[in-house]
Amino acid sequence: QLQESGPGLVKPSETLSLTCTVSGGSISSYYWSWIRQPAGKGLEWIGRFYPSGSTHYSPSLKSRVTMSGDVSKNQFSLKLKSVTAADTAVYYCARMSSLGWFDPWGQGIPVTVSS
Amino acid sequence: QSVLTQPPSASGTPGQRVTISCSGSSSNIGSNYVYWYQHLPGTAPKVLIFKNDQRPSGVPDRFSGSKSGTSASLAISGLRSEDEADYYCAGWDDSLSSVLFGGGTKLSVL
Repeated sequence: QLQESGPGLVKPSETLSLTCTVSGGSISSYYWSWIRQPAGKGLEWIGRFYPSGSTHYSPSLKSRVTMSGDVSKNQFSLKLKSVTAADTAVYYCARMSSLGWFDPWGQGIPVTVSS
Repeated sequence: QSVLTQPPSASGTPGQRVTISCSGSSSNIGSNYVYWYQHLPGTAPKVLIFKNDQRPSGVPDRFSGSKSGTSASLAISGLRSEDEADYYCAGWDDSLSSVLFGGGTKLSVL
């Protein structure tokens, strides 16, 4: 199971920080991703993380995204800097297979960017 | 506007067969696997189809996927009220070096 956590409200220009806690298995041997969905819109892939430290980010968000992980806590995290209202969305974490599909997903955490 | 193009809506009556299309290009669908997800509001998305036409265990065989050239389709037969959800196609794009999702199709069971 995956569970997202973090603040539900972030001020414009600040950094959005979320954590995904994985239970029922180690994060060590899989890719992990963050995906978001703005209200009324479709899904958007943010990037993927491998516990060895390898990362790959969506070109549209690459300049603002950092993903990392803590194997000892079985957690991985997302940092998105310089946020604006356009970053308001439900954020999901998910395990990503080596062939590119996402399963399972977390329940999602809504994040609003507003002053 | 998504690079993977889906119709915004689809509908059918119970028992009918419905098909949802996903149109892409040679850099995504044309050269990589397609995946399909079902998303009910307020829940976690669920993978229905992987590697174009494979069903994970637990997904009913009423759901089937296919791919031809730069297009893919999800078919749902024996439509049920619980199938009312948003459906997304997805896959890797070699040119963008990114996972892409289609814009999503809202399926209504009338």
